[in-house]
Amino acid sequence: GENVEQHPSTLSVQEGDSAVIKCTYSDSASNYFPWYKQELGKGPQLIIDIRSNVGEKKDQRIAVTLNKTAKHFSLHITETQPEDSAVYFCAASISNAGNMLTFGGGTRLMVKP
Amino acid sequence: SAVISQKPSRDICQRGTSLTIQCQVDSQVTMMFWYRQQPGQSLTLIATANQGSEATYESGFVIDKFPISRPNLTFSTLTVSNMSPEDSSIYLCSVEGEWGNYGYTFGSGTRLTVV
Repeated sequence: GENVEQHPSTLSVQEGDSAVIKCTYSDSASNYFPWYKQELGKGPQLIIDIRSNVGEKKDQRIAVTLNKTAKHFSLHITETQPEDSAVYFCAASISNAGNMLTFGGGTRLMVKP
Repeated sequence: SAVISQKPSRDICQRGTSLTIQCQVDSQVTMMFWYRQQPGQSLTLIATANQGSEATYESGFVIDKFPISRPNLTFSTLTVSNMSPEDSSIYLCSVEGEWGNYGYTFGSGTRLTVV
């Protein structure tokens, strides 16, 4: 089955700096790659996703890049703010109906004011 | 995207007892997913629940321990049976997005502590 590795497990940045979180996946059939943000006491919230027919996607301060050949994808957050502090999870899926997500181990991002 | 209501939000239970967690969705969905998140860990899929059929369990999870009901297209329950302290986790339900948008949505989770 699919295996998703995520690095780093913790990341501390100064407010205004950029943060990058990287994930690799094992199943070349995976074609859908979402990123989730989980704040304390809450369920994961989808922040951005990318499909395998696209190399990059941006949404304001957040971007995701995908390298299908190398089987890795990354989350980029620019101009970080204290409210970006949370745990971030990457995931991979073969996007047909009913295919479940396989999650990475998570990255705890701390943005220092 | 779908809105999920999950109850209870938290509970403290005695070992040996059972707890049933409810997940209500504001729209009809084909598949519902139940995940476990152990303290400080990532999410692990327990089972996939399709309306009108038996749930499909992932390796390491069995129906006797985690029975699931899916009576209609908007509701599901997960029961954690004969609990032990090792079952202390956050339990989350999730649904996939509408056709063409695969953004899976999660409920806010049930934080279970077994004492």
